[in-house]
Amino acid sequence: AQTVTQSQPEMSVQEAETVTLSCTYDTSESDYYLFWYKQPPSRQMILVIRQEAYKQQNATENRFSVNFQKAAKSFSLKISDSQLGDAAMYFCAYRSDQGAQKLVFGQGTRLTINP
Amino acid sequence: EAGVAQSPRYKIIEKRQSVAFWCNPISGHATLYWYQQILGQGPKLLIQFQNNGVVDDSQLPKDRFSAERLKGVDSTLKIQPAKLEDSAVYLCASSLDRLWGALLYEQYFGPGTRLTVT
Repeated sequence: AQTVTQSQPEMSVQEAETVTLSCTYDTSESDYYLFWYKQPPSRQMILVIRQEAYKQQNATENRFSVNFQKAAKSFSLKISDSQLGDAAMYFCAYRSDQGAQKLVFGQGTRLTINP
Repeated sequence: EAGVAQSPRYKIIEKRQSVAFWCNPISGHATLYWYQQILGQGPKLLIQFQNNGVVDDSQLPKDRFSAERLKGVDSTLKIQPAKLEDSAVYLCASSLDRLWGALLYEQYFGPGTRLTVT
């Protein structure tokens, strides 16, 4: 079974600075998808960014980018120019390309933005 | 377009009572998911429907939890009887999965139902 580990329960960053959230995963599959989800205090989960494992190029969405290291099974999220609205729980998630394709989530990292 | 709707938003019950949660996915989304999110943890999939059929219910405690999606649209998750450890947020999500042959990946989540069992 696949597992996802986020080793940083909490992170904080000054507004306008850059922060990196870590994620590692364990799988024996070669084709899969990785995601970062944001969950603000209102609890509605929102997709931030996704990465297909077959793509070597790291995904980027505006101020959000990932560092995908397939051999190391590492998938970190970098947030540039942090804004107060970025404060939330961030979850890393894995989705297999086989079977039911369910999402497997990590434990989450609570990100605080200091003004 | 309207998002995933869930009700109620909050529910407090005593242990051994029954409770039901309702979810209405985004129109046209064939796949519906129920997740349990215990405080301080990531969501865990309980059950996944494709239209009105169950795709994965391997982590659903079937002795007390049940779910249905009779007409392939909205869904109900029931707990009977509830235990203290069932206190959690229950999230519903839906996805389109395929459009013009292309695989789509995004699951859209509802606001969740926070259940407290006392």
